[in-house]
Amino acid sequence: EVQLVESGGGLVQPGESLRLSCAASGFTFRIDAMTWVRQAPGKGLEWVSGISGSGNSTYYADSVKGRFTISRDNSKNTLYLQMNSLRAEDTAVYYCAKIYYYRAGSFFDHWGQGTLVTVSS
Amino acid sequence: DIQMTQSPSSVSASVGDRVTITCRASQTISRWLAWYQQKPGKAPKLLIYAASSLQSGVPSRFSGSGSGTDFTLTISSLQPEDFATYYCQQANSFPSIFGGGTKVEIK
Repeated sequence: EVQLVESGGGLVQPGESLRLSCAASGFTFRIDAMTWVRQAPGKGLEWVSGISGSGNSTYYADSVKGRFTISRDNSKNTLYLQMNSLRAEDTAVYYCAKIYYYRAGSFFDHWGQGTLVTVSS
Repeated sequence: DIQMTQSPSSVSASVGDRVTITCRASQTISRWLAWYQQKPGKAPKLLIYAASSLQSGVPSRFSGSGSGTDFTLTISSLQPEDFATYYCQQANSFPSIFGGGTKVEIK
């Protein structure tokens, strides 16, 4: 059974940093691309970042480019999101998800339970 | 970037009703569209991928159609557990954009 467990969320002040982790099990982690999606309180889903199975290719939403870094440690089956220069608008529940590639499409077929990041002074 | 527009933003329906939600892409995305269901306080769940393929374990009352820029999610006979928010997602390329969501509420 695929399991994704996020951790690392919490309350931080604007301008501070935080690193999220996503521990994966139940599938061959090093093969599958992964992604982060966030959801601000009462709002819709916003894609944040994605990374290939090898970690060689990374992708970012414009809203986080230059501030967030996605990475993975395939020896530990863990995905990371390093978040720097945090802003109030980054406040959200952050989900990690596994990417399922079907032909030319990338679909998010398994999701973690989410971890809440609150940026406030 | 591709924009995704969902309609309606909310719909009130009764158990047993047929419900249809639409999603329009700002440019063609072929069949690379997904639908997700999200219940309050829970993670989203993949329902449909590649516009019309049913994800394993999803009830057959859910169906998807469309290609190019116009897509539809249909729930043929609404069940109590289907009251939730539904999102479309363009899956053609990064950035992966979600629609604004459609909340299906009890009438």
